[in-house]
Formats: sequence, structure tokens, C-alpha cells
Amino acid sequence: EIVMTQSPATLSVSPGERATLSCRASQSVSSNLAWYQQKPGQAPRLLIYGASIRATGIPARFSGSGSGTEFTLTISILQSEDFAVYYCQQYNNWPLTFGPGTKVDIK
Amino acid sequence: QVQLQESGPGLVKPSETLSLTCAVSGYSISSGYYWGWIRQPPGKGLEWIGSIYHSGSTYYNPSLKSRVTISVDTSKNQFSLKLSSVTAADTAVYYCARTTVVTPRYFDYWGQGTLVTVSS
Repeated sequence: EIVMTQSPATLSVSPGERATLSCRASQSVSSNLAWYQQKPGQAPRLLIYGASIRATGIPARFSGSGSGTEFTLTISILQSEDFAVYYCQQYNNWPLTFGPGTKVDIK
Repeated sequence: QVQLQESGPGLVKPSETLSLTCAVSGYSISSGYYWGWIRQPPGKGLEWIGSIYHSGSTYYNPSLKSRVTISVDTSKNQFSLKLSSVTAADTAVYYCARTTVVTPRYFDYWGQGTLVTVSS
């Protein structure tokens, strides 16, 4: 099973600033990585797949990069609605596995 | 617009079987895509349980495989989850979701989730 780790666990950012979230895989997952956003009481929402492809309707301020074992999600200018928990997920191997999440909160 | 809705008991006794159904609207399951179940214990992260194609082809998480059965009913446009011999560790919000066409990959449409508590 591929183990996903995320850092930091919590990221405190002011609105309007940039947020950079990291995700690491225990072995190469190529570009088979997705990012999700989850707000309290809601289901996760797909943001990015293929490591860098924005899902339908996702604003351009969200961008993903990386391949192999190291990945980054960048939110260029944080809006109030972006404060949430972000999860990465690999789909290179089964079982599909998720990272533990990074909480982005208001500084 | 694809919509998914989970339903089933919110309380299950230890050692019994958890049963949930996911009703899909806005898309015919028979048209393709894999469909899956993911769970999230309170305050914790996400765990993939398994996925199914309209033909009945399934993929399961090995950690749960001995206790999980996922089935599909194309006539009702829904799919179901059964998890046997539950314990308190199975208490979680259970989500159903649509995944991709060829094999289960990422999840683009999700249900709102349903909390299942395992307790006597």
C-alpha cells in the first residue's frame, strides 16, 4: 500500500496571501495524484487530478504540480471560502489511498 | 448534473452488518464509470472502501475486503455497500462517489455522506 503524507498539518494564512501545501508518496505514483478540498460538514470536492489538471469549475487560483513522489498544491490568492482541509489521493496503485490532510486556517 | 444520495440506518449494533445504498440521479450507471464508497471516521481522514462497475466488476481495499460486499442494481440506478461484523472502529461518515471510466481512480461527484454509528 502506498502511504501518503502531507505537510504541514495546519497552515495559517491571511486572506490574499499564497498557500503552498505539500504531499509526498512512499513510492512513485507518476502523475496519478488528485487533490480535494473539504469544508466542515461537507463532502470532499475534487480540485485537481493528474497532478496538475484542474477539475471542472475550479478557479485558476488553484494549481497543482509535481510527479513521482513529491507534489504541491498552490492557492495563489487565498479567498475566505478557501479555508478548509485539503487532501491528496494517489490512484497509481490499489488500494487508493489518501493523505491525512492539511488544514488551512485564518491567520 | 450528477447527484448521489446515501441512505441506510444511522445506528448499527456491534457484530452486525452495515448496509447502505447510494441512489444516483442525472446519470445512468449503465452508461459507464466506476462507482465507489469512501468513509471518514469523525475528525479523521478518508479511507477508500471499494468500487464497482455497472457490469459488477469490483475493486476492494484489502484491509476491508474480507468484510465488504459492493453490489449494483442498474434497474434502480443505485449501488450498495455491505460491511459485516462491524465494531466501533467502523463508526464513520460513509460517502458514495463516482470515479473514473477505465479503472477506479479519483472521485469527481460525491454524495453528502451519511453518519453510521456502531454502538449497542
